Amino acid sequence: AQSVTQPDIHITVSEGASLELRCNYSYGATPYLFWYVQSPGQGLQLLLKYFSGDTLVQGIKGFEAEFKRSQSSFNLRKPSVHWSDAAEYFCAVGIQGAQKLVFGQGTRLTINP
Amino acid sequence: NAGVTQTPKFQVLKTGQSMTLQCAQDMNHEYMSWYRQDPGMGLRLIHYSVGAGITDQGEVPNGYNVSRSTTEDFPLRLLSAAPSQTSVYFCASTKAGTPNYGYTFGSGTRLTVV
Repeated sequence: AQSVTQPDIHITVSEGASLELRCNYSYGATPYLFWYVQSPGQGLQLLLKYFSGDTLVQGIKGFEAEFKRSQSSFNLRKPSVHWSDAAEYFCAVGIQGAQKLVFGQGTRLTINP
Repeated sequence: NAGVTQTPKFQVLKTGQSMTLQCAQDMNHEYMSWYRQDPGMGLRLIHYSVGAGITDQGEVPNGYNVSRSTTEDFPLRLLSAAPSQTSVYFCASTKAGTPNYGYTFGSGTRLTVV
């Protein structure tokens, strides 16, 4: 069955430091992969997406993600975090032609000043 | 502004009461979904629809009903509320035929069942 795993429930980084959030998926067909961000009390905002082509995709707010088929991973990165990046981040895989999404458990990011 | 509109934003129900969470989108999206978000569990799919008149169950459908009479609206009905249905509910929509388009989410409904 399809699933998404985000191994890190909570990550704390210092402002200005680099960031990598991990995401592993299990899906037999070509995956449509997404990263969403949720600020406290808000809905989800799409950060970036991957379907095919270049395995390194750029998103909004300076985020990027790299698709590695051999590792079934789609890790999110940012070279230098800002205090405003504190939020919860969700990785998701679109299945059945993206008729529905399967989400990971989420990673809560805290930024130290 | 175009997007997904959910009402109400907050609701408190007593056990056994029924209610309908409303969801409307004005982007002419064919696909619509309902998710519930619980701490440590991410978002779990309740029901989804690929077009007017077509609905299907997701991962956690028990205790919820849906219908899709128009492209724009996708209400979620709680038939007899239970404390286990205390959660934040999100509605989302996307275009059919463009799998990498990405879903647009509403701002959520926070439901408490006492």
